[in-house]
Amino acid sequence: EVQLVESGGALVQPGGSLRLTCAASGFTFSNYSLDWVRLAPGKGLEWISYMSQTGSIIYYADSVKGRFTVSRDNAKNSLYLQMKSLRADDTGLYYCVRDKGDFGWFDPWGQGTPVTVSS
Amino acid sequence: DIVMTQPPDSLAVSLGERATINCKSSQSVFNSFNNKNYLAWYQRKPGQPPKLLFYWASTRESGVPDRFSGRGSGTDFTLTINSLQAEDVAVYYCQQYYNLPFTFGPGTKVEIK
Repeated sequence: EVQLVESGGALVQPGGSLRLTCAASGFTFSNYSLDWVRLAPGKGLEWISYMSQTGSIIYYADSVKGRFTVSRDNAKNSLYLQMKSLRADDTGLYYCVRDKGDFGWFDPWGQGTPVTVSS
Repeated sequence: DIVMTQPPDSLAVSLGERATINCKSSQSVFNSFNNKNYLAWYQRKPGQPPKLLFYWASTRESGVPDRFSGRGSGTDFTLTINSLQAEDVAVYYCQQYYNLPFTFGPGTKVEIK
């Protein structure tokens, strides 16, 4: 079964840092690009980042550029999101998604890991 | 950025009736080189992550019941649920992947009347 499992979400103070991890199983991890998408309370879905199969191509949403860094370890079948200078509007449920179309549509989605930025 | 809209925010449909969900993009997501619309549809049930329903606007993902259909081109798209079932209660999102940043519509909540 293709599966993505996120972890690392927590309550953090504004200005703090957090590292999210996405553990993948059930497919050849290195064959797929991966993205992070978040669902903020009362808001819709927001795409955060894209990373290609080898990690050589990376894109970020303007809202997180310069503060978030995505990385992957194909040997460990894992994707990471290092978040710093966190703000209240970064609060949300963070999903790891497989970019099934290589640059487009997302399947599957993990269950998500919650991030709350609050003092 | 391409802005996706999905009027209305919610709709209530009787069991067995048809539900039509609209999605509009602020600019065309059609690529004339490959004749494809860069649009996907997702279903998010309460307490669950989104699930892919369609890509290329009308290509049904494996395992999606055929009472679901996607159509449209350019800037206007629809997701239709024929004969609504109780398990179809969810929020439905469209998403464009024509340009970065990938953007989603705000979602349409489908409920039972």
